[in-house]
Amino acid sequence: KQEVTQIPAALSVPEGENLVLNCSFTDSAIYNLQWFRQDPGKGLTSLLLIQSSQREQTSGRLNASLDKSSGRSTLYIAASQPGDSATYLCAVKRGGANSKLTFGKGITLSVRP
Amino acid sequence: NAGVTQTPKFQVLKTGQSMTLQCAQDMNHNSMYWYRQDPGMGLRLIYYSASEGTTDKGEVPNGYNVSRLNKREFSLRLESAAPSQTSVYFCASSDSRVSYTFGSGTRLTVV
Repeated sequence: KQEVTQIPAALSVPEGENLVLNCSFTDSAIYNLQWFRQDPGKGLTSLLLIQSSQREQTSGRLNASLDKSSGRSTLYIAASQPGDSATYLCAVKRGGANSKLTFGKGITLSVRP
Repeated sequence: NAGVTQTPKFQVLKTGQSMTLQCAQDMNHNSMYWYRQDPGMGLRLIYYSASEGTTDKGEVPNGYNVSRLNKREFSLRLESAAPSQTSVYFCASSDSRVSYTFGSGTRLTVV
């Protein structure tokens, strides 16, 4: 059974800091990995999707990397801003294209002005 | 705007009452999902539909039923609500290599 772990559960940083959010998974036979953002009381918004054949994806100040062999992914946020405060969830899809996502419990990030 | 629409956004039920949560997507995705999100438990899959006409159980299906009415719509039914079903429910859709799109959620309280 695939398990996805995100540690720590919460993180508080000052504005402007570059930061790394970690995600680990137990089964390296994944199809893809996704990072989502969830604001309080809202749904999930997809940030980045990395296919199993890729090593990283970038979108603006966000960069996600994938190391299947070690079962790890990182989400790098450059020059953090208070607007980045949210919960960030990692999810992996194993098996084929129609298999399901398994989510981590998320990291709640607070960026202090 | 394209996306996943869930109704209702909020609902309070008494124990034993029934209700149906509605979900519709307009992105022509084949797969649709129902998740529940609880504090400390993360997102857990209740049921999913890989394609029109098929449904399968997820991690926590007990107490729920689903219907994939057509390619666009996937509903979740609680036949006899229990306090343990108090949660936030999310519907999502996806298609092969694209990322999931989530609805804004239904906040359900069972008293």
